[in-house]
Amino acid sequence: KAGVTQTPRYLIKTRGQQVTLSCSPISGHRSVSWYQQTPGQGLQFLFEYFSETQRNKGNFPGRFSGRQFSNSRSEMNVSTLELGDSALYLCASSLLGQPSTDTQYFGPGTRLTVL
Amino acid sequence: GDSVTQMEGPVTLSEEAFLTINCTYTATGYPSLFWYVQYPGEGLQLLLKATKADDKGSNKGFEATYRKETTSFHLEKGSVQVSDSAVYFCALRATGQNFVFGPGTRLSVLP
Repeated sequence: KAGVTQTPRYLIKTRGQQVTLSCSPISGHRSVSWYQQTPGQGLQFLFEYFSETQRNKGNFPGRFSGRQFSNSRSEMNVSTLELGDSALYLCASSLLGQPSTDTQYFGPGTRLTVL
Repeated sequence: GDSVTQMEGPVTLSEEAFLTINCTYTATGYPSLFWYVQYPGEGLQLLLKATKADDKGSNKGFEATYRKETTSFHLEKGSVQVSDSAVYFCALRATGQNFVFGPGTRLSVLP
């Protein structure tokens, strides 16, 4: 069974630009979550999607948005990039998003560098 | 809000040494508790989990017990190997809430 895939793996952008990251969950998984990982702030939850609906949202500005398609693939978008958005963005999928019964599987991440 | 505290390290051990990584949490309600591991250049992998008080999670020789009275979920392994070198994250998630991760503990095991 293929794991969670994220594209692209590496991305370099300049301040003010926007970026779209993609995540393909494990086949059959309906829950997709996004996280930002930085050396200073650690792992922070961005949002979770389930069956095309945003189910949970972290404490990030409105420049960060996401969506999920009917095939459970998900994209996240960051507009008006800032230097502080440089991070590893991780996507994770699970069957139903129930932590007590589901296992969350992480992708390898997209490394975003903002210059 | 919910939070997770863990020793940040780095922790450096010799092969076959005993490992303990401390993790304590603050949460309303009764969260599920997790340990994740991140190898260099990779995403996170679930190592073990426990969903209620006194549950013991175990995997690959690692163990952790959900201690409600001390709000702790310490990770232990009796004999570490060089291949265990990685960053370990303690995390919690209450029903309907987001995952909350600790800062991670970097472990280096020397041959």
